[in-house]
Amino acid sequence: AQSVTQPDIHITVSEGASLELRCNYSYGATPYLFWYVQSPGQGLQLLLKYFSGDTLVQGIKGFEAEFKRSQSSFNLRKPSVHWSDAAEYFCAVGAVGAQKLVFGQGTRLTINP
Amino acid sequence: IAGITQAPTSQILAAGRRMTLRCTQDMRHNAMYWYRQDLGLGLRLIHYSNTAGTTGKGEVPDGYSVSRANTDDFPLTLASAVPSQTSVYFCASSVAGGPGDTQYFGPGTRLTVL
Repeated sequence: AQSVTQPDIHITVSEGASLELRCNYSYGATPYLFWYVQSPGQGLQLLLKYFSGDTLVQGIKGFEAEFKRSQSSFNLRKPSVHWSDAAEYFCAVGAVGAQKLVFGQGTRLTINP
Repeated sequence: IAGITQAPTSQILAAGRRMTLRCTQDMRHNAMYWYRQDLGLGLRLIHYSNTAGTTGKGEVPDGYSVSRANTDDFPLTLASAVPSQTSVYFCASSVAGGPGDTQYFGPGTRLTVL
């Protein structure tokens, strides 16, 4: 079965610092991979997604993610975070069949001023 | 503004009571979904519908039922609520229901079962 692991439950970075959120997936075929962001009290919003082609994917709000098949990873990065990036971030894999979109546990990002 | 609306925003419910969470989308998407979000578990799929008139079970369907009488509405019913159903519930929709579809999420309903 498909699964997604986000090893970091909570990350704190300083404003202006770089960010990398880790995501590892388990899936038998080429996966559809997503990063969603959830601001406090809000629903989820798509940051970016990958299926094929260039393994470095650009998203909204200055985020990017790199697909590494050999490591089964899809890590999210941003060169310089802003206080407004404080949120919960979810990695997900798109799966055929009943599970549809399978989410990781989420990583909560806190930004220090 | 196009999107997904959910009602109520929050609800406190006595155990054993029946409750229907409402979800409406105006994007004419074929597929709709219900997830529950619990701390440390991410979002888990309860039920889904690929098109009006059809529904399917997700990862955690027990204690929940859904219907899809038309394209826009996808209500979730708890026939007899239990405290373990305390959660935040999100409705989502996508164009076609495929694994590569972007899902669009509503603002959520916070449900507390006492």
